[in-house]
Amino acid sequence: EVQLLESGGGLVQPGGSLRLSCVASGSTFSSYAMSWVRQAPGKGLEWVSAISGSGSSIHYIDSVKGRFTISRDNSKNTLYLQMNSLRADDTAVYYCAKKTAPTGTYSFGYWGQGTLVTVSS
Amino acid sequence: EIVLTQSPGTLSLSPGERATLSCRASQSITSSHLAWYQQKLGQAPRLLIYGASSRATGIPDRFSGSGSGTDFTLTISRLEPEDFAVYYCQLYGSSPIYTFGQGTKLEIK
Repeated sequence: EVQLLESGGGLVQPGGSLRLSCVASGSTFSSYAMSWVRQAPGKGLEWVSAISGSGSSIHYIDSVKGRFTISRDNSKNTLYLQMNSLRADDTAVYYCAKKTAPTGTYSFGYWGQGTLVTVSS
Repeated sequence: EIVLTQSPGTLSLSPGERATLSCRASQSITSSHLAWYQQKLGQAPRLLIYGASSRATGIPDRFSGSGSGTDFTLTISRLEPEDFAVYYCQLYGSSPIYTFGQGTKLEIK
């Protein structure tokens, strides 16, 4: 069974930084593109960033470009999200999500339990 | 940017009834790029349907997806108590590469 375990959330002041991690179980981590999806309190889901299995292709939503950096270490089965210049509207539960299959699918079949990021003074 | 609009915002039904949830895209999309998720309070989303009509592993057959072009539907044929939750559609596109609808809350009447 695939398991994704996020960590690194917490309370940070506006303008501060946090680094989220997501450790994946299984031996095929490097075959899968991964994403971060967030959910502000009481709101819907918002995709934030994606990275290909090799790390060579990266995408961001416009609101985080230049502030957030996604990366992965396939030797450690770990996905990261470095978040800088945090703003109040970045407050959310951040989920890591794994594609349903390595190729030919466009959905997230596996999700972590989420880690809460609160940006407040 | 393609926008997904879900309707209704809230759907009030009783167990045993049929639920029909809509997801409309602002322009025609590839059906294989459309998915549906269920999210219960305090939990991560769960994939229900991918490719507009294929059930994910372990999803009961009372859940079905259909549609093409701009109009897509998630149908729950006979509601069970555990089906009351929030449902999201999701699109794989170009910019941004993934988009979610705003969600439909399915509540007990």
